[in-house]
Amino acid sequence: QSVLTQPPSASGTPGQRVTISCSGRSSNIGSNTVNWYQQLPGTAPRLLIYNSNQRPSGVPDRISGSKSGTSASLAISGLQSEDEADYYCAAWDDSLNGQVFGGGTKLTVL
Amino acid sequence: EVQLVQSGAEVRKPGESLKISCKGFGYSFISHWIGWVRQMPGKGLEWMGIIYPGDSDTRYSPSFQGQVTISADKSISTAYLQWSSLKASDTAMYYCARAPSGLANWFDSWGQGTLVTVSS
Repeated sequence: QSVLTQPPSASGTPGQRVTISCSGRSSNIGSNTVNWYQQLPGTAPRLLIYNSNQRPSGVPDRISGSKSGTSASLAISGLQSEDEADYYCAAWDDSLNGQVFGGGTKLTVL
Repeated sequence: EVQLVQSGAEVRKPGESLKISCKGFGYSFISHWIGWVRQMPGKGLEWMGIIYPGDSDTRYSPSFQGQVTISADKSISTAYLQWSSLKASDTAMYYCARAPSGLANWFDSWGQGTLVTVSS
């Protein structure tokens, strides 16, 4: 059971906009920023969003993040086949004194 | 370019010890926290702990405290993850990753992963 809660799966057709939610509590998302990682099959995770809504260089602007209260969301617009991957949210937890991850969401491009 | 290069895949028997490594290139190794993340087969990511190579300050997830040891040798820009007595349940992919802005923040660069298989 992961500390942060994500839906196990999401899907969309090419060109669509999809969102992935991440729910936590006051000790993690409620008091710290959220980061998102993309993991393509058979590869290491890659940073997608940091500080809840910042994109590292190289991440396209069709990918965005937001946070409100104890929840966060990742949005991908103009869905492409190469977006098919697992997506993980993460945040520092002040009670556990460590990073916590969501269980991951498998995004399928239909 | 920042790069983390991990040691190769390992196969061990239950009860054996193991130490895997993560070498940093292209940045000041002593100035950034390095974390370790476990991914069991078909499962999600789990934060194990983190070390600051500059002074070896180390923090562990409660789930991994006492189960593994994280260390670093700043003279060769290398972090380590070790087990004294492996269990079959330690079979997983292990990633190291750099935290560019403090221990409580994101990982911006990841190693390629080290697959550890524990089987009799």
